[in-house]
Amino acid sequence: HLQLQESGPGLVKPSETLSLTCTVSGAPISSGSYYWSWIRRPPGKGLEWIGSIHNSGSTYYNPSLKSRFTVSVDKSKNQFSLRLNSVTAADTAVYYCATVGGVTLRYGWFDPWGQGTLVKVSS
Amino acid sequence: QSVLTQPPSASGTPGQRVTISCSGSTSNIGGYTLNWYQHLPGTAPKVLIYDTSKRASGVPDRFSGSKSGTSASLTISGLQSGDEGDYYCASWDDSLVVFGGGTKLTVL
Repeated sequence: HLQLQESGPGLVKPSETLSLTCTVSGAPISSGSYYWSWIRRPPGKGLEWIGSIHNSGSTYYNPSLKSRFTVSVDKSKNQFSLRLNSVTAADTAVYYCATVGGVTLRYGWFDPWGQGTLVKVSS
Repeated sequence: QSVLTQPPSASGTPGQRVTISCSGSTSNIGGYTLNWYQHLPGTAPKVLIYDTSKRASGVPDRFSGSKSGTSASLTISGLQSGDEGDYYCASWDDSLVVFGGGTKLTVL
């Protein structure tokens, strides 16, 4: 069965670029029909969907987060990634990777999730 | 402010039944499936209920979901101390996945 594990820097300075990686195990990332996704939870707040990428390469982003995020897939490493430009303190959060499989994003559910990685933005 | 409205907190004693509500509109709950996620302290969130009322694999039948129009509910029967944590509803709205603000469940 699918398992996901996030990795990232932990601490990022304001205005810098944040890069996070999610390693997929249990199946090739290019197999089936999956929406590889990123979700975050800022401290004291609820879950927020950031964006998803389908096996076809189509991407979907939360429009309220504007265009600072980029989700991409590296099939050779069986990983997908999140890139966030010009981070601010408001981007401090636990970042989770997750996937929607077998159905479309609008009718799907996130399962499984990674354990999450804490990212703090501070100088 | 989320487009899906949940009460910020709920509580109950062991063995009791607790219901958590999720209120939305025709552009989300009324038109798409509704899912519930459980986020226990120190763990990854996990899906409890998908497609409004279907229990995810391994989820005990103490958990049930329902929907009526633009509102949905998660009911937990036989409340246990291990159920203490945060619960989120989620759906699709226009062009994005939306989560409710979350409900913190306390087992007294």
